[in-house]
Amino acid sequence: GAGVSQSPSNKVTEKGKDVELRCDPISGHTALYWYRQRLGQGLEFLIYFQGNSAPDKSGLPSDRFSAERTGESVSTLTIQRTQQEDSAVYLCASRLGVLGNTIYFGEGSWLTVV
Amino acid sequence: SQQGEEDPQALSIQEGENATMNCSYKTSINNLQWYRQNSGRGLVHLILIRSNEREKHSGRLRVTLDTSKKSSSLLITASRAADTASYFCATELYGNNRLAFGKGNQVVVIP
Repeated sequence: GAGVSQSPSNKVTEKGKDVELRCDPISGHTALYWYRQRLGQGLEFLIYFQGNSAPDKSGLPSDRFSAERTGESVSTLTIQRTQQEDSAVYLCASRLGVLGNTIYFGEGSWLTVV
Repeated sequence: SQQGEEDPQALSIQEGENATMNCSYKTSINNLQWYRQNSGRGLVHLILIRSNEREKHSGRLRVTLDTSKKSSSLLITASRAADTASYFCATELYGNNRLAFGKGNQVVVIP
């Protein structure tokens, strides 16, 4: 597609429910990132996928968070048993290749846990 | 520790003035990037400057990099109301997969 597409744009969920956030990267981009941004804060790295290599999961804050990517296409970020502190914008980004290339961000999925 | 930390200030300037933001980091980098974010949504890439570069321009934007001081600056010249946004710097290290972001600088341009 023309850009990184994320869905849903906004999600309100009850505490304890599971949520899935989806990211469609730019076609042909081998690298895909997930970041979390709490209100008024910077971006926290969550996870990185590069081609068929094992993902870098070092930023996932707890075992309630997981992500998958099918080949070099769609990725889903799953948050189980959501907590109020999970409320944030979840941003997906992709790029072609690795170090030094421009990273393109989606518009994000705003998650509110009530 | 987090790489890429902007001066923690909010800038409020008049349209037509210049706006300068600074960013410091702690370890050697491959490149440093500046992004703009409007209304807390997606980030827009502005400029990437590599560790062997000292200055880069893009339209009204000028970025400098001083690797000896481990710092970078973003200058927006002749600011416009549409430049109102949060600006983030992010660093990329050799052998690392992630961009490390700072907390951002909020810029308000008053028409």
